[in-house]
Amino acid sequence: DAKTTQPTSMDCAEGRAANLPCNHSTISGNEYVYWYRQIHSQGPQYIIHGLKNNETNEMASLIITEDRKSSTLILPHATLRDTAVYYCIVRVATSGTYKYIFGTGTRLKVLA
Amino acid sequence: DAGVIQSPRHEVTEMGQEVTLRCKPISGHNSLFWYRQTMMRGLELLIYFNNNVPIDDSGMPEDRFSAKMPNASFSTLKIQPSEPRDSAVYFCASSSTGTYNEQFFGPGTRLTVL
Repeated sequence: DAKTTQPTSMDCAEGRAANLPCNHSTISGNEYVYWYRQIHSQGPQYIIHGLKNNETNEMASLIITEDRKSSTLILPHATLRDTAVYYCIVRVATSGTYKYIFGTGTRLKVLA
Repeated sequence: DAGVIQSPRHEVTEMGQEVTLRCKPISGHNSLFWYRQTMMRGLELLIYFNNNVPIDDSGMPEDRFSAKMPNASFSTLKIQPSEPRDSAVYFCASSSTGTYNEQFFGPGTRLTVL
């Protein structure tokens, strides 16, 4: 079962910040939050991950609440090419490796 | 690096036929994952390997599905016999074992069973 809950869909105006929320209230202390996106039917693409501190890279920022029960992915200046399904994932440790449990994701539509 | 390579990219077959999907992980990665994606069920983890050993196949839907990883650079997912409800996009992903081991996904194989 997915360990995350996300809104089904969101719209964002081009050039504005897109803020995508995620709830992961059952997350354990050593489990990371990962974000991926999937454009059309391509393979999911890694965006960013974090444990408890806020993170930023060239694609996005990740804000994790202090209790770690929720997080927000921020695309600072959304473009039409950011239209995709965004998945928030809790990475689970298992037998020498890690696995992802994907939820249903948020379908982000960037509007011109 | 070419990334994760999957073949074929598209497969159309008839019900009852055997289907074999192939995956070449990124060199140096020691974990490999097979996923299935449908509109109804989203992205489902079918099976994963660590150091060529199957770790968990609880996501495999039926005995008709099997997967192997004979060496570190090759894996197959086989469906025998195939059924129309197996129509989906099948993704392979690989990762290394490390603290920040993101999974890298292949382009997928779109399977249509008629």
